[in-house]
Amino acid sequence: QLQLQESGPGLVKPSETLSLTCTVSGGSFSSRSYYWAWIRQPPGKGLEWIGNMYYSGTTYYNPSLKSRVTMSVDTSKNQFSLKLSSVTAADTAVYYCVGENGFFSEQFWGQGALVTVSS
Amino acid sequence: QTVVTQEPSLTVSPGGTVTLTCASSTGAVTSGYYPNWFQQKPGQAPRALIYSTSNKHSWTPARFSGSLLGGKAALTLSGVRPEDEADYYCLLYYGGAYVFGTGTKVTVL
Repeated sequence: QLQLQESGPGLVKPSETLSLTCTVSGGSFSSRSYYWAWIRQPPGKGLEWIGNMYYSGTTYYNPSLKSRVTMSVDTSKNQFSLKLSSVTAADTAVYYCVGENGFFSEQFWGQGALVTVSS
Repeated sequence: QTVVTQEPSLTVSPGGTVTLTCASSTGAVTSGYYPNWFQQKPGQAPRALIYSTSNKHSWTPARFSGSLLGGKAALTLSGVRPEDEADYYCLLYYGGAYVFGTGTKVTVL
């Protein structure tokens, strides 16, 4: 049973880069064929899939965010990360990290981290 | 830009049955979209209910079922209970990327 925990600044200034890290515990991070994903939800709005990264390094991003998103994995620390550049108030959201083994047949979610974009 | 559309809101009586649907702007939804369904209550993270159209997770109550219906993915709640009042989201797979549906607010009244 994997446990995931998001961490990072809760407040980011407009035009800066949002950076979040997800720490994975309770399993072998690099040996299993998991996809590591980020999903967000602006206050009072619906869920938005940001993108994912396969353990091999292959990434898929939401086309609407692709130009601003970078995901990476640090297997030595059992962590994966999200960077979202040039943020605006529209990027204010609860950000969830998720581990899933393909088509979400098995999935593990972090508790979510609220990131507010404001000066 | 792909849009996945759900009913904005539905109301159902306790003990009743309600069906939520999930439509893709690209055309008919098939099993190849691997539809997922999630339930979300206020202040909580989403909870997975259904994966790959109709498969239930170990914690999914029997009254929830997934299917394909008229070119859409569908989630049926049978014998609805007050605690089923929540927002429900579908998730579709598009060859590497995923798109969430717009969400349906289910009210039990």
